[in-house]
Amino acid sequence: GNSVTQMEGPVTLSEEAFLTINCTYTATGYPSLFWYVQYPGEGLQLLLKATKADDKGSNKGFEATYRKETTSFHLEKGSVQVSDSAVYFCALSDNYGQNFVFGPGTRLSVLP
Amino acid sequence: DAGVTQSPTHLIKTRGQQVTLRCSPKSGHDTVSWYQQALGQGPQFIFQYYEEEERQRGNFPDRFSGHQFPNYSSELNVNALLLGDSALYLCASSPGGGLGIYEQYFGPGTRLTVT
Repeated sequence: GNSVTQMEGPVTLSEEAFLTINCTYTATGYPSLFWYVQYPGEGLQLLLKATKADDKGSNKGFEATYRKETTSFHLEKGSVQVSDSAVYFCALSDNYGQNFVFGPGTRLSVLP
Repeated sequence: DAGVTQSPTHLIKTRGQQVTLRCSPKSGHDTVSWYQQALGQGPQFIFQYYEEEERQRGNFPDRFSGHQFPNYSSELNVNALLLGDSALYLCASSPGGGLGIYEQYFGPGTRLTVT
């Protein structure tokens, strides 16, 4: 079945540091890929998405590129802020936008 | 727009009891999905409701059942509760039957503790 693997946390960075959170997937067909973020005490929010190979999703300074050849969708941000502290989930869906599978999440803490 | 709302926020039950969780989707959304998120884990798909029917189901036992009402709101029922059912239960809604939309809006969840 489909699955998502992402780097284990927690990840602790200083403000303005570069962020990479690795995500790889196993899926049949043509999945869509997502990053969701869960801020403390809040529900999951969609951060960015990519629905086909080579697409780049971006939002709030975060970026991720759908790499079919390496089955990866790594999340990056050039300069993190304290307000980016949250848990980040990589996820995929099937080519109809159904059957979501989430990774285990990576907790990010950004220190001032 | 109120977004996705869930009730109650927290719930404590005893093993063997039954529980009902409720979800109201975002305005204009007709598809509701339920997820279980154990502590420190990612959400796991339980099932999805569309047009008042269960359209898809994840790998959860029959103790987990649901319902969708004509106003698109939904309930999740869990019978014969086990300690392992303790988790955050998330509801997510999407529009247009959920097909080809790719985006779900999540509620804040209901924290269920089974003792």
